[in-house]
Amino acid sequence: SQQGEEDPQALSIQEGENATMNCSYKTSINNLQWYRQNSGRGLVHLILIRSNEREKHSGRLRVTLDTSKKSSSLLITASRAADTASYFCATDDGNTGKLIFGQGTTLQVKP
Amino acid sequence: GAVVSQHPSWVICKSGTSVKIECRSLDFQATTMFWYRQFPKQSLMLMATSNEGSKATYEQGVEKDKFLINHASLTLSTLTVTSAHPEDSSFYICSARGLETYTDTQYFGPGTRLTVL
Repeated sequence: SQQGEEDPQALSIQEGENATMNCSYKTSINNLQWYRQNSGRGLVHLILIRSNEREKHSGRLRVTLDTSKKSSSLLITASRAADTASYFCATDDGNTGKLIFGQGTTLQVKP
Repeated sequence: GAVVSQHPSWVICKSGTSVKIECRSLDFQATTMFWYRQFPKQSLMLMATSNEGSKATYEQGVEKDKFLINHASLTLSTLTVTSAHPEDSSFYICSARGLETYTDTQYFGPGTRLTVL
């Protein structure tokens, strides 16, 4: 079953611009993770944020988590054409080890 | 570190045949492996959770007699699609977590594209 919604479903920007993707979920979580998937390939783990954290940075990535609103956002700054991919959030309830994925955002960065 | 491989990367088979997909953790012991299915332009749907040495736990709506999962060792899990039909055509991805990896992180394989004719 899907955990929740991601928006936008698709995003097209110019190289150098920032890209923001949002994720909402329904149940309590232990952590939330963001993954990238290039077309037809496997997933690459980007960043993990725990339920007691509000913001986390990794290079050009900034993730926020608002557990009161059950939502998270992923910001990619100074985007590059190589950032073109689908981005998924996934939640872990901390009990079963299962990851429940959002529907994903397809990002296109035009050179 | 924490590399997961899948074999084959793609397979084409005739309707009615069975197909086995392997998922291996190359540099760590995977106590738990997960199998996902992804249809085109859709997200990953968890099919089952596989713990080494025990029976897999299937998600609601996933036929366990059709999707046989075996996790016989700490580095290998297999998914067998039995009597495959065209509607089983999909991208199958495994992930693994284990004692040596950061416990909250799953490491994903590159996926296997199954096409059933």
